Amino acid sequence: AQSVAQPEDQVNVAEGNPLTVKCTYSVSGNPYLFWYVQYPNRGLQFLLKYITGDNLVKGSYGFEAEFNKSQTSFHLKKPSALVSDSALYFCAVRPGDSNYQLIWGAGTKLIIKP
Amino acid sequence: DVKVTQSSRYLVKRTGEKVFLECVQDMDHENMFWYRQDPGLGLRLIYFSYDVKMKEKGDIPEGYSVSREKKERFSLILESASTNQTSMYLCASSPQSRGSTYEQYFGPGTRLTVT
Repeated sequence: AQSVAQPEDQVNVAEGNPLTVKCTYSVSGNPYLFWYVQYPNRGLQFLLKYITGDNLVKGSYGFEAEFNKSQTSFHLKKPSALVSDSALYFCAVRPGDSNYQLIWGAGTKLIIKP
Repeated sequence: DVKVTQSSRYLVKRTGEKVFLECVQDMDHENMFWYRQDPGLGLRLIYFSYDVKMKEKGDIPEGYSVSREKKERFSLILESASTNQTSMYLCASSPQSRGSTYEQYFGPGTRLTVT
């Protein structure tokens, strides 16, 4: 079965420190990979995506993610965390043979402490 | 900017009631989706539609139906609401055109409570 794993339910980081939110996947074909963020009581907002090309992709709010094909991972990173980055983060993957569906991770709650 | 709107932010219904959740998108997207979001379970796909009057079941369609009579509107129907359908419901849309990367755009969500 195809799946996306976010192994950490919660990540705690001090403000100013680098942060990483992990995502690994198991899907068919060459996937498209996405990160979304959800602030409290809000819908999901698109952060960034990997389709092809450079393995390091940059997105909104200073976030970036690194695609690693051999490890089937797409970890989200930011060099210096802000308290306002505190939110729920979702990794999603479109399998190579799908035109419609995304497979979603369970989400990781990111808490940035002042 | 893509805009996806949902008819209600918060809804409280009684067990057994018929519930309608409406979603409208203004970007002429072919694909529309209904998800429910529960803590620790992420997003689970209920139904999706790739064209007017076309629909396909997602992972958890039981207890739900959908309607897509116009391209911009996708409705989720709970035929007889039950307490286990208390959840956050998210609508999304995405383009289907050649070269699209199929990223989905989300509405603000409807938090439904069934008592």
